[in-house]
Amino acid sequence: GAVVSQHPSRVICKSGTSVKIECRSLDFQATTMFWYRQFPKQSLMLMATSNEGSKATYEQGVEKDKFLINHASLTLSTLTVTSAHPEDSSFYICSAITGSETQYFGPGTRLLVL
Amino acid sequence: AQRVTQPEKLLSVFKGAPVELKCNYSYSGSPELFWYVQYSRQRLQLLLRHISRESIKGFTADLNKGETSFHLKKPFAQEEDSAMYYCALHGSSNTGKLIFGQGTTLQVKP
Repeated sequence: GAVVSQHPSRVICKSGTSVKIECRSLDFQATTMFWYRQFPKQSLMLMATSNEGSKATYEQGVEKDKFLINHASLTLSTLTVTSAHPEDSSFYICSAITGSETQYFGPGTRLLVL
Repeated sequence: AQRVTQPEKLLSVFKGAPVELKCNYSYSGSPELFWYVQYSRQRLQLLLRHISRESIKGFTADLNKGETSFHLKKPFAQEEDSAMYYCALHGSSNTGKLIFGQGTTLQVKP
């Protein structure tokens, strides 16, 4: 089946620094990837839709200058949390669409900002 | 507005008991409905989708457009069914975007 990986699996950083999270589709090409945020014991909140070769589409309330998304190839999308603050600490999950429109999810990245 | 509602945060049943996880949706067009499952320390994975009309791991779900519901059912719960279950909606104009419900934790006790 389709596999999506994320790197790193967890990261701890100091307040004010930037953190990059990678999302890769390992055995398929994904024209569209999605980035979600999940708070403890809560649902997934869609942050943005990432399309290869074009600008990401952000959901209402998500700061595009804070959460930079780049989708440079059909197998890689990156999310950069710029000038991270403790309130950005969360679980970030990506997903990718195959041709069948089924979404496959990555394992998530735990971000802790000190 | 597009919305998915899972009214129960936690559902606790004994092994062998029937299970029904409720999901209601709000969408003006013809949505596609999904159930995703997240086992402990694992990634979210697709359990079933309404257009497939299949049974996965003994679970079934029927789309009821009149009641705008897509409840997940299993006649006899197993301990390994314990997990977080999310109902999700894909609207016809959403370009793949999924709207998730709040999730229900299913706890199956021995």
